[in-house]
Amino acid sequence: QSVLTQPPSASGTPGQRVTISCSGSSSNIGSNTVNWYQQLPGTAPKLLIYSNNQRPSGVPDRFSGSKSGTSASLAISGLQSEDEADYYCAAWDDSLNGFWVFGGGTKLTVL
Amino acid sequence: QVQLQESGPGLVKPSETLSLTCTVSGGSISSYYWSWIRQPAGKGLEWIGRIYTSGSTNYNPSLKSRVTMSVDTSKNQFSLKLSSVTAADTAVYYCSLDSGGNGGWFDPWGQGTLVTVSS
Repeated sequence: QSVLTQPPSASGTPGQRVTISCSGSSSNIGSNTVNWYQQLPGTAPKLLIYSNNQRPSGVPDRFSGSKSGTSASLAISGLQSEDEADYYCAAWDDSLNGFWVFGGGTKLTVL
Repeated sequence: QVQLQESGPGLVKPSETLSLTCTVSGGSISSYYWSWIRQPAGKGLEWIGRIYTSGSTNYNPSLKSRVTMSVDTSKNQFSLKLSSVTAADTAVYYCSLDSGGNGGWFDPWGQGTLVTVSS
């Protein structure tokens, strides 16, 4: 059971816009920024969005992130076949001595 | 740019200690946080813990009693020890640069190493 809640799956057709949600609590998303990671099949995760809505160099602007209260979202516009991957949200949790928490991951299928 | 490479035994017996090392190249290990993250086959990511180059650590509360991390700045390496392993510890283990604090992120990641717990 992951601390952050994501839908297990999402899908869309090429060109569509899809969103993936990530729900947390006041001790994690409500207090800290959210990051998103993309994991292509058989590879290590890669940073996709950091600090809620910032894209690292090289990440297309089709990917965007947002946060409101204790929830965050990843949006992918102009969906492409190469976007088919697992997506994970993550945030620091301030409880106890502090620790990182992840969402359970969302498998995105491009139909 | 910074690159990370995990190394260690791919097979560990139940009840024994899993030991992995992450070698950092392309930059200094000093003055950064370094994290370990694992992923059982077909499942999601689980953060294990992190170490700052001063030796300060944060561990996942669910694993804290079994985890020890260390850093060797002279070798540009940091290490993970997980004791009393069971089959549930079978996973791909990743190391990553953790930009630190409570507003950071993981980037880059190592390629990961599969550790199987089996007799």
